[in-house]
Amino acid sequence: DIQMTQSPSSLSASVGDRVTITCRASQSINFYLNWYQQKPGKAPNLLIYTASNLQSGVPSRFSGSGSGTDFTLTISSLQPEDFATYYCQQSYSTLYTFGQGTKLEIK
Amino acid sequence: EVQLVESGGGLVQPGGSLRLSCAASGFTFSGYWMHWVRQVPGKGLVWVSRINSDGSSTSYADSVKGRFTISRDNAKNTLYLQMNSLRAEDTALYYCARSLSSRSSNDYWGQGTLVTVSS
Repeated sequence: DIQMTQSPSSLSASVGDRVTITCRASQSINFYLNWYQQKPGKAPNLLIYTASNLQSGVPSRFSGSGSGTDFTLTISSLQPEDFATYYCQQSYSTLYTFGQGTKLEIK
Repeated sequence: EVQLVESGGGLVQPGGSLRLSCAASGFTFSGYWMHWVRQVPGKGLVWVSRINSDGSSTSYADSVKGRFTISRDNAKNTLYLQMNSLRAEDTALYYCARSLSSRSSNDYWGQGTLVTVSS
């Protein structure tokens, strides 16, 4: 199975900060990397698909980049509603896998 | 409006069985691949299984292979997960989610159904 490793596992930041979360795959996944946001008690919400494509309705402060094994999710200017847990997911393999998550907390 | 509504969760003893359902509406169900993803409360997301649009191809995580069976009824717009030989470690919230095709992201998710395996 392809292993996905996110860093950091948790992050404290302030409203207005620029934040970057990284995700590394154990082997090349081309650009088949997706990012999700999850808030407590809610289902995950797709933010970015195939590494850099913004899902419809997602604010433009979210962006994604990378290919091969290394990927990043960037939030350009944190808003109060962005404090949540973020997951990367590879969809290259028949067996999808998720990263362990990054919890973004208010400083 | 796309809707995915899971049901069938509950309390079951170790070694028991349970069948989850996911009722889909608001889109052409037969045109999408479908997935099950689970999450232990307070922990991360774990992909469980997927089925292609016509039900002819399935895949499973190693942790459930041989115990769980994914299926679908396109006439009823419903996805299923038959779970046998349940273990305590299968306790989780189970989500269904759709994807447009192989290698596509999961763009819509249900709200989940809770499965608790305990004696």
